[in-house]
Amino acid sequence: DTEVTQTPKHLVMGMTNKKSLKCEQHMGHRAMYWYKQKAKKPPELMFVYSYEKLSINESVPSRFSPECPNSSLLNLHLHALQPEDSALYLCASSQVLGNQPQHFGDGTRLSIL
Amino acid sequence: GNSVTQMEGPVTLSEEAFLTINCTYTATGYPSLFWYVQYPGEGLQLLLKATKADDKGSNKGFEATYRKETTSFHLEKGSVQVSDSAVYFCALTPNTGNQFYFGTGTSLTVIP
Repeated sequence: DTEVTQTPKHLVMGMTNKKSLKCEQHMGHRAMYWYKQKAKKPPELMFVYSYEKLSINESVPSRFSPECPNSSLLNLHLHALQPEDSALYLCASSQVLGNQPQHFGDGTRLSIL
Repeated sequence: GNSVTQMEGPVTLSEEAFLTINCTYTATGYPSLFWYVQYPGEGLQLLLKATKADDKGSNKGFEATYRKETTSFHLEKGSVQVSDSAVYFCALTPNTGNQFYFGTGTSLTVIP
């Protein structure tokens, strides 16, 4: 069982919809991450939060909007996505930034119609 | 710069065979090194780690040794099982950086 919980597990949405992905961890970690993973590829970093502040934005399009309401929660708000945004979206956390292992959730499988 | 080069797959082995998945890295300073495993339909699970030269990480029969002289962190297992079928990712994080660098992943299939 993973200690990082992501909901929903699957999401199908149209290009005009607005939806949110949620991630929760109760390990006391202060760094949280969003990754995008296409089939048969490694995860690609999207955003990094450290102590609830955005630390890294890897030039992600504005149709993806992250939010960190508190140290345990991380959201990814989606709006006007494109078919090429269909992927597995993974959340991860680590104790702090730096050379720490990251703990991953099982992801949200997103399909854009 | 920082990067990880991982053995190309897919790899198919018979049960109880010996496994090696090669991983070499380029990094500034002294990175920490990791192996992650991803089972079908799941996220990545930390398999093992090593934080300094000559450290050996081990877990579930898998081992990898941090070799600074060859900049390598090869994954080995003496006897694979069908349940080891998954994709394996080698990764590094620099000691002064905030980012993970993943290899391309190696798909392993173990047949009975």
